[in-house]
Amino acid sequence: DADVTQTPRNRITKTGKRIMLECSQTKGHDRMYWYRQDPGLGLRLIYYSFDVKDINKGEISDGYSVSRQAQAKFSLSLESAIPNQTALYFCATSDSGASGQWNEQFFGPGTRLTVL
Amino acid sequence: ILNVEQSPQSLHVQEGDSTNFTCSFPSSNFYALHWYRWETAKSPEALFVMTLNGDEKKKGRISATLNTKEGYSYLYIKGSQPEDSATYLCALSAGNMLTFGGGTRLMVKP
Repeated sequence: DADVTQTPRNRITKTGKRIMLECSQTKGHDRMYWYRQDPGLGLRLIYYSFDVKDINKGEISDGYSVSRQAQAKFSLSLESAIPNQTALYFCATSDSGASGQWNEQFFGPGTRLTVL
Repeated sequence: ILNVEQSPQSLHVQEGDSTNFTCSFPSSNFYALHWYRWETAKSPEALFVMTLNGDEKKKGRISATLNTKEGYSYLYIKGSQPEDSATYLCALSAGNMLTFGGGTRLMVKP
């Protein structure tokens, strides 16, 4: 079974709809991240969380919100989706301990979101 | 926001060719440089993490070098195979977060 899972894997929605993307991990990591990927732009950080009570904005947080429901779960919400939020979204985790000192991240399979 | 650049953006090579591409980053505030391999429809997977100037890492036919003083890293693939076709991402760690470059998309023709 995959260590980092994302649901749904694909979603098509309409402008103005509220959408939630979910991420779960079994790696026991305390740090979790949400990225979006657009062609030619690499991965851009939306939000990150270093533990259950910690939420931080990333480079492109406008139009998004997150919830860290538990150490293993980190959800990304689009309160009112717009077409330029059409992208591939990745969740990632990393370990804050000695094994994670260089911040190596482990990625989920991605969610492809299309906003019409 | 750190500026991490990769070149070229895409690359087409024949099977058996050796190839290399570049990741450039600001040399100040350096902590670690990561290379990830991302195959279409799969998750990005870590290839290397490099931390010291002059570091060289190797995994099979893929190797990487790091120059933190001038702010660049090279990724080399020797004798490219079709299964090497993927997007190669570099990312700069300057503390608690990674800043990714735009990636180099490699396509290896049989």
